[in-house]
Amino acid sequence: QKEVEQDPGPLSVPEGAIVSLNCTYSNSAFQYFMWYRQYSRKGPELLMYTYSSGNKEDGRFTAQVDKSSKYISLFIRDSQPSDSATYLCATTGYSTLTFGKGTMLLVSP
Amino acid sequence: NAGVTQTPKFQVLKTGQSMTLQCAQDMNHNSMYWYRQDPGMGLRLIYYSASEGTTDKGEVPNGYNVSRLNKREFSLRLESAAPSQTSVYFCASWSGTRAGEQFFGPGTRLTVL
Repeated sequence: QKEVEQDPGPLSVPEGAIVSLNCTYSNSAFQYFMWYRQYSRKGPELLMYTYSSGNKEDGRFTAQVDKSSKYISLFIRDSQPSDSATYLCATTGYSTLTFGKGTMLLVSP
Repeated sequence: NAGVTQTPKFQVLKTGQSMTLQCAQDMNHNSMYWYRQDPGMGLRLIYYSASEGTTDKGEVPNGYNVSRLNKREFSLRLESAAPSQTSVYFCASWSGTRAGEQFFGPGTRLTVL
């Protein structure tokens, strides 16, 4: 079993929709949880960062971690065409990251 | 402030050829990483360097070597390229403060024929 599982999509939604992206992980030692966003032919960039369980909100983006079920979520409200990208969840104990395979999101105008 | 830079951006090799991918960061970060990204496989760690003078294997190190030349530069060498090494290679760096906050370069697209 891969340490971080993520549905690769693609996920296609109309502009303005609420998007839910999800990952599961297997290692209960992971304490830090991230979402990276990667535009086509670019390097990943950190979008959201969460320590342990709970929610974190940043504008239209909300990251949620449930350590009891080892579930990581990213919600995007009022999605925009500019949100079209691949979203990678990642976890870490500290110095090295374990990534999910990434979910490709397409937001159509 | 350029962040993380990688050269070259694109490269085509023949099987058996060698090449070195270069990475540099200007953020004074201690740790640097090399990843490869393949369709359906996500980002996989090849090697990393926690600090100048140290290197460690990641998930997929076979067929690669690395050199941490100084604090700024971390190179990845393919001694005898194989078609299975066709991939997009990303370098990243980390300051060592906030866990998980890595900064990525723009990538090198490598094709091995």
